Amino acid sequence: DAGVTQSPTHLIKTRGQHVTLRCSPISGHKSVSWYQQVLGQGPQFIFQYYEKEERGRGNFPDRFSARQFPNYSSELNVNALLLGDSALYLCASSLGPGTDSYEQYFGPGTRLTVT
Amino acid sequence: DQQVKQNSPSLSVQEGRISILNCDYTNSMFDYFLWYKKYPAEGPTFLISISSIKDKNEDGRFTVFLNKSAKHLSLHIVPSQPGDSAVYFCADKGNTNAGKSTFGDGTTLTVKP
Repeated sequence: DAGVTQSPTHLIKTRGQHVTLRCSPISGHKSVSWYQQVLGQGPQFIFQYYEKEERGRGNFPDRFSARQFPNYSSELNVNALLLGDSALYLCASSLGPGTDSYEQYFGPGTRLTVT
Repeated sequence: DQQVKQNSPSLSVQEGRISILNCDYTNSMFDYFLWYKKYPAEGPTFLISISSIKDKNEDGRFTVFLNKSAKHLSLHIVPSQPGDSAVYFCADKGNTNAGKSTFGDGTTLTVKP
């Protein structure tokens, strides 16, 4: 079975630009979460989506948005990029609420560099 | 709010010896914790978890201990192998089932042959 896939792998953008990151969850997983990992720190929660609805949002500005599609894939959008947005963006899938499964399955991440 | 702290950024052990990685949390309402392992250029992978109804969970060479009164958990790896060299994160399960976890900043384990 394919794991969580993310695209692109690497991305270089300029301050003020917009970026879209994509994620495909493991087949059968209905929940997708996005995390930002800055060098030297642990992943920080950005969004959780389940059945196409936002179920949670971390402490990130409104420049960050996301959505989930009927096939459970997801996009993370970041507008008006700042240098501080440079990070590894991780997508994780899980079965979702109402199950006894709490582990998340992470993709390899998208490395975003803002110059 | 939950804080999850891993106070040791790095740990170096000899192959065959025990590795002990520590994690502290602040909010006793959270009752389920997970350890993830991360290799460079890969996403974190789930390693082992523990529920607050237990104080120990074992899976092969990996054992996680939970001390609820101290709000402390630890991961023991015995015996340590060079392939265990990675960054280890502890995390809670989040407010609801998965997806909104709070992670520690990680401990980089180096196992020397």
